[in-house]
Amino acid sequence: ETGVTQTPRHLVMGMTNKKSLKCEQHLGHNAMYWYKQSAKKPLELMFVYSLEERVENNSVPSRFSPECPNSSHLFLHLHTLQPEDSALYLCASSHLAGGQVEQFFGPGTRLTVL
Amino acid sequence: DQQVKQNSPSLSVQEGRISILNCDYTNSMFDYFLWYKKYPAEGPTFLISISSIKDKNEDGRFTVFLNKSAKHLSLHIVPSQPGDSAVYFCAARTSGSRLTFGEGTQLTVNP
Repeated sequence: ETGVTQTPRHLVMGMTNKKSLKCEQHLGHNAMYWYKQSAKKPLELMFVYSLEERVENNSVPSRFSPECPNSSHLFLHLHTLQPEDSALYLCASSHLAGGQVEQFFGPGTRLTVL
Repeated sequence: DQQVKQNSPSLSVQEGRISILNCDYTNSMFDYFLWYKKYPAEGPTFLISISSIKDKNEDGRFTVFLNKSAKHLSLHIVPSQPGDSAVYFCAARTSGSRLTFGEGTQLTVNP
């Protein structure tokens, strides 16, 4: 595997379900991110992890719970979601320091909440 | 408050011609600007960036221009190819690693 991978690619869940999204980066980066992309809206930053510590939480509801067990893996635990949470969830990684600016994205998980 | 805006939701150009994608911003503290390309069912792919201290950066067919006084940047693609058809996102970076994205512009290059 190369780059940033995300599983599952598609997820349909009911409002009472609990599920988790997984992200893995194979780039040796030290920062990871969760973004939400809703239809016709900009990507919204949800969480930032730097060196496995959460450094940013963008007023995200508590029904979204991130976990970063190590610098290569990032999870987003979902519980009691609402239909308006249906969106594309994108994971990204980057290397802080060394002048690198860009973030590298995974293919995303298309989430539908019924 | 949307700090990065792409006012054109779509753009259609002929193959071989120039594509110009535009982006406006409001925050003068942004230190880098980036362009990403996104195909359906894929994540955004980094294209090119520019530091706020420069006014132009070129990489092959892609050139980004920055006009700080107007708080405006643009991406030029010359010549445009059908494979360039995708959604293009403008993004801007404040200190650290936070990126703020625009809404995206759907570019269609017609053969």
